[in-house]
Amino acid sequence: AQRVTQPEKLLSVFKGAPVELKCNYSYSGSPELFWYVQYSRQRLQLLLRHISRESIKGFTADLNKGETSFHLKKPFAQEEDSAMYYCALGRAGSYQLTFGKGTKLSVIP
Amino acid sequence: DTEVTQTPKHLVMGMTNKKSLKCEQHMGHRAMYWYKQKAKKPPELMFVYSYEKLSINESVPSRFSPECPNSSLLNLHLHALQPEDSALYLCASSQDQGQYYGYTFGSGTRLTVV
Repeated sequence: AQRVTQPEKLLSVFKGAPVELKCNYSYSGSPELFWYVQYSRQRLQLLLRHISRESIKGFTADLNKGETSFHLKKPFAQEEDSAMYYCALGRAGSYQLTFGKGTKLSVIP
Repeated sequence: DTEVTQTPKHLVMGMTNKKSLKCEQHMGHRAMYWYKQKAKKPPELMFVYSYEKLSINESVPSRFSPECPNSSLLNLHLHALQPEDSALYLCASSQDQGQYYGYTFGSGTRLTVV
């Protein structure tokens, strides 16, 4: 069975401090991993997908298959980064996306 | 058009009512999804339509009935709901199986069952 674990329900950091949102997954096959973000009263948006190795809004995430992790990082947090972040796992050839329970990031001015 | 549009944004219905939620996308996506999201919880998959055919039904009670009239539209028919069905219902779409591109989500319909 596939599973996504986000160990922190809430993460508070000061503006300008580095941010790391943790995500670990359990899946025996080849995973497809994503980060989604949900700002207050806005729709769930795709932030990053591991396959594209891109940086969006200063965020990056690297898939570490050895540690089965896909942590989201940003060197300098901004107030507008405050939101709920979900890590999600997809399987090649499947429509199903398994979400973690989410981490609420709060950036303190 | 790069959005998924859901209507209505809010819906209050009694337990004996029949109502429908609507979802529309014009991105040419061939997979469409219904998710249920309770407060402060992650979205939970309900149904998947692939090429207008029901592909996945995650053991959803029959009081929820999905329909995909064409490749751009997805409906969710509601009948005899319970108060515990109150939640945010999200529609999403993806290019085929979505594992490379991810999903595009609508802003949701906030449903309250009284």
